[in-house]
Amino acid sequence: GEDVEQSLFLSVREGDSSVINCTYTDSSSTYLYWYKQEPGAGLQLLTYIFSNMDMKQDQRLTVLLNKKDKHLSLRIADTQTGDSAIYFCAEKNSGGYQKVTFGTGTKLQVIP
Amino acid sequence: GAVVSQHPSWVICKSGTSVKIECRSLDFQATTMFWYRQFPKQSLMLMATSNEGSKATYEQGVEKDKFLINHASLTLSTLTVTSAHPEDSSFYICSARVAGRPTETQYFGPGTRLLVL
Repeated sequence: GEDVEQSLFLSVREGDSSVINCTYTDSSSTYLYWYKQEPGAGLQLLTYIFSNMDMKQDQRLTVLLNKKDKHLSLRIADTQTGDSAIYFCAEKNSGGYQKVTFGTGTKLQVIP
Repeated sequence: GAVVSQHPSWVICKSGTSVKIECRSLDFQATTMFWYRQFPKQSLMLMATSNEGSKATYEQGVEKDKFLINHASLTLSTLTVTSAHPEDSSFYICSARVAGRPTETQYFGPGTRLLVL
């Protein structure tokens, strides 16, 4: 089945850039997503990228996709303490079922 | 737009009782809703996909008689944990797919924390 992997933890200083990485195995992915989960809350969609794109920028967020290596990254510029959360990448396949598979989540800690 | 609510936000129940969790799309119609379970410090595990007016599709290993899903309208899906046991304690999150949007993105509810004593 599909597998989505992320590093578990990332710590950065306030004002620095954060880069969260994700690898996936499904070669038929259509959309890839980044979600943010704050403690005790549901998931908030941050951004998404279609699989035929290699980059998308949205304000402080930059998504890079290397489809050949099946590698997705999320860069947060000028990281703030409010960015501290768990970040999940997810991919949706192209099958009729269109199942979305979530990564293991990366906990981002922003140090003031 | 695309707000999803869940009720209750948390619930404590005795072992053997049943618990119903509601998931509502507040400002859009959701032809498809999803139910996830999240264990502490772990990712989301898809339990089932619920389509309005039809039976839910359960993921492998999820007991359909244990986790009853009803999607009676385009804005409401319910998950009932029947005869709950302590191992059912978890964070349950629903999401709804916005029909017709190009990305077919899922929007998530805030989650329901269930504790079975």
